[in-house]
Amino acid sequence: QVQLVQSGAEVKKPGASVKVSCKASGYTFISYGITWVRQAPGQGLEWMGWISAYNGDTNYAQKLQGRVTMTTDTSTSTAYMELRSLTSDDTAVYYCARDSSGWYWFDPWGQGTLVTVSS
Amino acid sequence: EIVMTQSPATLSVSPGERATLSCRASQSVSSNLAWYQQKPGQAPRLLICGASTRATGIPARFSGSGSGTEFTLTISSLQSEDFAVYYCQQYNNWPLTFGGGTKVEIK
Repeated sequence: QVQLVQSGAEVKKPGASVKVSCKASGYTFISYGITWVRQAPGQGLEWMGWISAYNGDTNYAQKLQGRVTMTTDTSTSTAYMELRSLTSDDTAVYYCARDSSGWYWFDPWGQGTLVTVSS
Repeated sequence: EIVMTQSPATLSVSPGERATLSCRASQSVSSNLAWYQQKPGQAPRLLICGASTRATGIPARFSGSGSGTEFTLTISSLQSEDFAVYYCQQYNNWPLTFGGGTKVEIK
């Protein structure tokens, strides 16, 4: 079955960087894109950006431009999201999700990765 | 950026009753709208895409309607497992945007 498995929880200090991985299985990785969405504690969903696993094209949320980089490794069917210059406002659960090959609804989703930023 | 506004923020419904959730876009998104369900501690799950097409495995009691700027998710007869938070998401324009969510709680 199609599955996305994310890396484990992280605790980072302000100013540090975090890199979250999302390993895909059960489908042809390069045929779909991956989006990243985060959810601060008790809050709603915030779209962060999207990457094509086919050619690496990206589209980032403007508020994160310059701080976020999304990449893929097609040899391991893994997507990565790196966020730099972390502040406490970046404390959230980070989700990856697969698009629908040209349509930008997302299914399935990874299980989520909690990133805590604290001094 | 297209702003998605969901209402109400909280909906109190008794099991077996009908629930109607609304989602409004600040400009037309055609039918490029998805609905997701999220339960506590879980990742969101796709319910509806294309404004009205149920995703694989989603029960028929979930239905979506609307186009342009006004959309509705209807749950015809609420089951215990349906109490959750529901989000709409437009995918007509970049950046993709989500609504703030509607929490469906037990009355």
